[in-house]
Amino acid sequence: AQSVTQLDSQVPVFEEAPVELRCNYSSSVSVYLFWYVQYPNQGLQLLLKYLSGSTLVESINGFEAEFNKSQTSFHLRKPSVHISDTAEYFCAVSDSTGTALIFGKGTTLSVSS
Amino acid sequence: DAGVTQSPTHLIKTRGQQVTLRCSPKSGHDTVSWYQQALGQGPQFIFQYYEEEERQRGNFPDRFSGHQFPNYSSELNVNALLLGDSALYLCASSLAAGVADTQYFGPGTRLTVL
Repeated sequence: AQSVTQLDSQVPVFEEAPVELRCNYSSSVSVYLFWYVQYPNQGLQLLLKYLSGSTLVESINGFEAEFNKSQTSFHLRKPSVHISDTAEYFCAVSDSTGTALIFGKGTTLSVSS
Repeated sequence: DAGVTQSPTHLIKTRGQQVTLRCSPKSGHDTVSWYQQALGQGPQFIFQYYEEEERQRGNFPDRFSGHQFPNYSSELNVNALLLGDSALYLCASSLAAGVADTQYFGPGTRLTVL
């Protein structure tokens, strides 16, 4: 069965600093990987996804994640964060049918000035 | 283009009662999934509906049931509510055609069981 571990529950950073949110997964089959962001009192929004091809995927707002099969990781990075990036970030893996998403417990990113 | 909508926004029930939550998928989507997000946790998959049939189910008891209508909207029903059912219930819609197609989430319904 697939599972996801987000290694940090909270990550506090200063504005314009780089950030990495760590995600490791466990799966015996090929996987599809996702990062979702949840702003306060809102639903989840897809940030980026890896299905196949290039192991480095990027979002439109400057985040990127790299699929590392040997380390079973899909860490999320941003070189310079903004106050508006403050949110809960969830890493997810699709199950073996590609139907259900299996989420980690989330990482709270707090950006301060 | 309307996104995924859910109603009601908030709901307070007492133990033993029954509740129905509603979801309208994003325009053009025919598949609806339901997730339960307990406080401080990631969402957990409850089930998915496609063509008015339950396509896949997560590890939830039979107290949780659902329905999909011909217009693709969906309901989540929970019977005999327990305190532990208090959570944010998220609906997500997608196209059935693609494996691991992007799921678009609604804002959720916050259920509190007293």
